[in-house]
Amino acid sequence: QKEVEQNSGPLSVPEGAIASLNCTYSDRVSQSFFWYRQYSGKSPELIMSIYSNGDKEDGRFTAQLNKASQYVSLLIRDSQPSDSATYLCAVRQMRANDYKLSFGAGTTVTVRA
Amino acid sequence: KAGVTQTPRYLIKTRGQQVTLSCSPISGHRSVSWYQQTPGQGLQFLFEYFSETQRNKGNFPGRFSGRQFSNSRSEMNVSTLELGDSALYLCASSLSGANTGELFFGEGSRLTVL
Repeated sequence: QKEVEQNSGPLSVPEGAIASLNCTYSDRVSQSFFWYRQYSGKSPELIMSIYSNGDKEDGRFTAQLNKASQYVSLLIRDSQPSDSATYLCAVRQMRANDYKLSFGAGTTVTVRA
Repeated sequence: KAGVTQTPRYLIKTRGQQVTLSCSPISGHRSVSWYQQTPGQGLQFLFEYFSETQRNKGNFPGRFSGRQFSNSRSEMNVSTLELGDSALYLCASSLSGANTGELFFGEGSRLTVL
């Protein structure tokens, strides 16, 4: 079982719609969760972090975390063509001497104008 | 503030050769992590260095090694290159690594092994 799993997509949404991205993780001790955005040919950049259960909003982005279900999601409201990118879910384990950040394979989002 | 700088950006090697990649983190950042990115496997963690010490290591063979210098600059080396080592190698720096989880990635070094 992969440590972090995402739907690979592609996810195609019309401009102005909500894009919903899902991520599940296997290790219950995971405590920190991140969403990175990667444009084609570019490096990943951090767009959201979430550490406790519930919702966290930042502009048009909302991250949702449910530790009991080992599930984290990202909602993109009012999707714009500039949101077309691959979104990577990342999970950091906080065990002693183990600080690696594990990434999912990414979900490719295409916003249709 | 300068970002993470990786050199070289592109390189072509042949099987059996070795390669050294360099990463200069954001000024003040003490943690440097290395990742391999391929279309099939996504981002795979190689290792993380903090204050010149390897803090964690991923599941890669011993041909992959790294080090960090006192100025936080890091290098990774791949010896006896294989075709499967062709990938984008990304370096990411962080202020303290484990505690923040906020990584700043460089543009990467794209390695092609022929």
